[in-house]
Amino acid sequence: GAVVSQHPSWVICKSGTSVKIECRSLDFQATTMFWYRQFPKQSLMLMATSNEGSKATYEQGVEKDKFLINHASLTLSTLTVTSAHPEDSSFYICSASRRGAWSGELFFGEGSRLTVL
Amino acid sequence: DAKTTQPPSMDCAEGRAANLPCNHSTISGNEYVYWYRQIHSQGPQYIIHGLKNNETNEMASLIITEDRKSSTLILPHATLRDTAVYYCIVRVASGGTSYGKLTFGQGTILTVHP
Repeated sequence: GAVVSQHPSWVICKSGTSVKIECRSLDFQATTMFWYRQFPKQSLMLMATSNEGSKATYEQGVEKDKFLINHASLTLSTLTVTSAHPEDSSFYICSASRRGAWSGELFFGEGSRLTVL
Repeated sequence: DAKTTQPPSMDCAEGRAANLPCNHSTISGNEYVYWYRQIHSQGPQYIIHGLKNNETNEMASLIITEDRKSSTLILPHATLRDTAVYYCIVRVASGGTSYGKLTFGQGTILTVHP
């Protein structure tokens, strides 16, 4: 099946620094990628929709200047958490939809756990 | 997307069938029922989806009632590795830039015990 990979799988950073998380579709082209955030014991919350070659669309309440999303190619989207604070510590998950063909399956990455000290 | 209601938790003995219910009474005619699961500290995994007919694959079976207002995911022979949070989601299958956008509820925590 199709594979979506995230890197890094976990990261620890100091407060005030920026962290970049990559989401790659390994064996298919993804016109759209989605970024989710999940706090402990909670469900996934959609943060933004990332379309290749255009600006991301953010969900209400998500700061676009804090969570920078770039979708520069059909296989890569990046999420940069700028000036990270401890409250940004969370599990970040991406998903990708395959270009050009409908499939009932939507493919998720393994997730990236961010801890801000 | 239609809202779904699932029990917060369920238990199942290993080797027995696990039947996970989902209510989606406001589902529209063009909305599919999807099931995903999330094992601890991993990304969600697709299980199965359907529109109105019952579906079966190597992982599970999906039973949708005739009025489509509820469905049941069946894991025929649950194993310890099936312990996870199971999400029932209803959404339009394709169309526009919202394709792939899933709204997750709280899901059902399934615990399979020996």
